[in-house]
Amino acid sequence: AQKVTQAQTEISVVEKEDVTLDCVYETRDTTYYLFWYKQPPSGELVFLIRRNSFDEQNEISGRYSWNFQKSTSSFNFTITASQVVDSAVYFCALSGPFSGGYNKLIFGAGTRLAVHP
Amino acid sequence: DTAVSQTPKYLVTQMGNDKSIKCEQNLGHDTMYWYKQDSKKFLKIMFSYNNKELIINETVPNRFSPKSPDKAHLNLHINSLELGDSAVYFCASRQLGVSNTEAFFGQGTRLTVV
Repeated sequence: AQKVTQAQTEISVVEKEDVTLDCVYETRDTTYYLFWYKQPPSGELVFLIRRNSFDEQNEISGRYSWNFQKSTSSFNFTITASQVVDSAVYFCALSGPFSGGYNKLIFGAGTRLAVHP
Repeated sequence: DTAVSQTPKYLVTQMGNDKSIKCEQNLGHDTMYWYKQDSKKFLKIMFSYNNKELIINETVPNRFSPKSPDKAHLNLHINSLELGDSAVYFCASRQLGVSNTEAFFGQGTRLTVV
């Protein structure tokens, strides 16, 4: 069975602090995909990044970076120099390989990040 | 142009009523989903359609009936609404294949049953 665990329910930081959101996943598939989504207070779900299981390269996009480690089944997300606009709920998600159209996107419970001025 | 659009954005209705939510995607994707987000923000898959065919039905009460008239549309009809149906419902689309893409979500429909 597939599962995504985001153990941090809520994180509160002060602006300019760095913050890491943890994501641990479980799957028996050898090919799988990992995602991060952001849900700001306005409610929409915004795609941030996708990672394939065969690509363990870390990625940096501006103040955002992602650390994918298959050995620990983790896909952590770091925001450097956080800003108030980063306040949102962040979701980690997992899906398996294409299987005749049967493909779920399984979400973790989300981590609520509050960045205070 | 909005990639995935849902209507309505807000829906307030009384218990026992029947209501529908519509979803359309202009991304040419072959797969569409309905997700339910509860008050604790947990996102749970309800249904998935691939090329208009129902593929996933996740132990959802049969008061919920999805319909996909074509690959670009996925509607959700709910009969005999109950208080517990109050939630935000998200439609999403995705292209599955050798390399599965990310899912693009609609803006959500906040359903309140009173």
